[in-house]
Amino acid sequence: EPEVTQTPSHQVTQMGQEVILRCVPISNHLYFYWYRQILGQKVEFLVSFYNNEISEKSEIFDDQFSVERPDGSNFTLKIRSTKLEDSAMYFCASSGEINQPQHFGDGTRLSIL
Amino acid sequence: QKEVEQNSGPLSVPEGAIASLNCTYSDRGSQSFFWYRQYSGKSPELIMFIYSNGDKEDGRFTAQLNKASQYVSLLIRDSQPSDSATYLCAVNIEETSGSRLTFGEGTQLTVNP
Repeated sequence: EPEVTQTPSHQVTQMGQEVILRCVPISNHLYFYWYRQILGQKVEFLVSFYNNEISEKSEIFDDQFSVERPDGSNFTLKIRSTKLEDSAMYFCASSGEINQPQHFGDGTRLSIL
Repeated sequence: QKEVEQNSGPLSVPEGAIASLNCTYSDRGSQSFFWYRQYSGKSPELIMFIYSNGDKEDGRFTAQLNKASQYVSLLIRDSQPSDSATYLCAVNIEETSGSRLTFGEGTQLTVNP
C-alpha cells in the first residue's frame, strides 16, 4: 500500500539554526499538509499546499516557516531560525482530493537544544 | 470554546466489549469527519471517515454522524487489547482552495484482557 515517507525520523538542532524536514507524499496525491504535535498535546494544522502554492496556513505558520515542492516528489518544511518551542513531532500528510482522507507519514521528531 | 471536543478519558473496557468514543464539533461548515488511531509515539492512522448523516460500518468499527447535533461517534465492537490506543476525532472544513483537519485532544482507550 502506498505511504507517505518522512526523513529524518529524528532531528536534533541547536536553537537559532535552520532545519529542513522532508516528505515524499503518496505519488498520485495532489494535496499536501504539515501538522505538528507537541508532546502531550493535540495534533495542530500548520499548512496546506496545492498546485505549487500554499492554500491555507494557521497562525502557527509564521514567517519563520516555509514550504516547498522542489521537484515532482519531495515536499519540504523549513524552519529558518528554530526556537525551543519548535520542539515537536512534525507530520506530513497527503490526500488525493480536497475532501478525501489525509494519510500521515511516520513523522519527524524535532528536538531543539 | 474548543472546536473539536472528545469525551474525556481514559476509557477502559474489557476484551470483547463495545467501546464507544464520542466527539462534538463547533463549526457547522464542517463537511468531512475522520477517526484516527494513534499509538504512543506514532503517527495518526486512519480508521474511519464519514461524510453523510447516519452510520457507516467497516468490520468491527462503526462511525455515526449527526450533523444537526454536531456529533460524531466511533463504536468498536469485540474490542481487542491491540485496540488500546488514543483515538483522535478530526473534522475537515473545506475552504475554496484548501482544507485543514482540526483535531480533538483524543480519547485514550485501554482494552483489558
